[in-house]
Amino acid sequence: EAGVVQSPRYKIIEKKQPVAFWCNPISGHNTLYWYRQNLGQGPELLIRYENEEAVDDSQLPKDRFSAERLKGVDSTLKIQPAELGDSAVYLCASSSGRINTEAFFGQGTRLTVV
Amino acid sequence: AQKITQTQPGMFVQEKEAVTLDCTYDTSDPSYGLFWYKQPSSGEMIFLIYQGSYDQQNATEGRYSLNFQKARKSANLVISASQLGDSAMYFCAMREGQKFGIQGAQKLVFGQGTRLTINP
Repeated sequence: EAGVVQSPRYKIIEKKQPVAFWCNPISGHNTLYWYRQNLGQGPELLIRYENEEAVDDSQLPKDRFSAERLKGVDSTLKIQPAELGDSAVYLCASSSGRINTEAFFGQGTRLTVV
Repeated sequence: AQKITQTQPGMFVQEKEAVTLDCTYDTSDPSYGLFWYKQPSSGEMIFLIYQGSYDQQNATEGRYSLNFQKARKSANLVISASQLGDSAMYFCAMREGQKFGIQGAQKLVFGQGTRLTINP
């Protein structure tokens, strides 16, 4: 069974440009997370989906970040316009939703804003 | 307020020794789960071990065990007989239960991590 798939793996853009990240979760997983991880720190939750509903987006900087999860499967995270401080690894994870089940992570997208 | 606290930014251990990585957590929810993940330099997050708040026994998975002290709200990871391949970042995470409804359920919060280095 395929794991969580993210693309691209790496992205370098100039500040003020838009960028989008894509995530395909494990089949059947209702819960999808987007995290941002700065160098040497723990992942910080940006948004969490239960099926197609965003149930926790309190940490998402809504002036420049947006996300969607069409049909409750794939998800896209967008930044427009990007700032230098957005340089980080963006991790997508999915889980079946039960409290005792782990979240499975993708390989992440390393974003560098120059 | 910080939900998960990992007080050791870095740990250095000799190969074959046991190592304990500390994790304390904060929750008022009686139902929660605690997770440990390993993140090697390649970047992937690897699930290691899980402990539920109602579990009577400490979780074990091979060389990994979890020292769960509920009253102290601590969930330390113990790695026995450390190996060079154990060098990585280690993260403690918590998922709170159903008390606050769907808004609280399934939220998975991470600590800041501990960088473990195993010396030969």
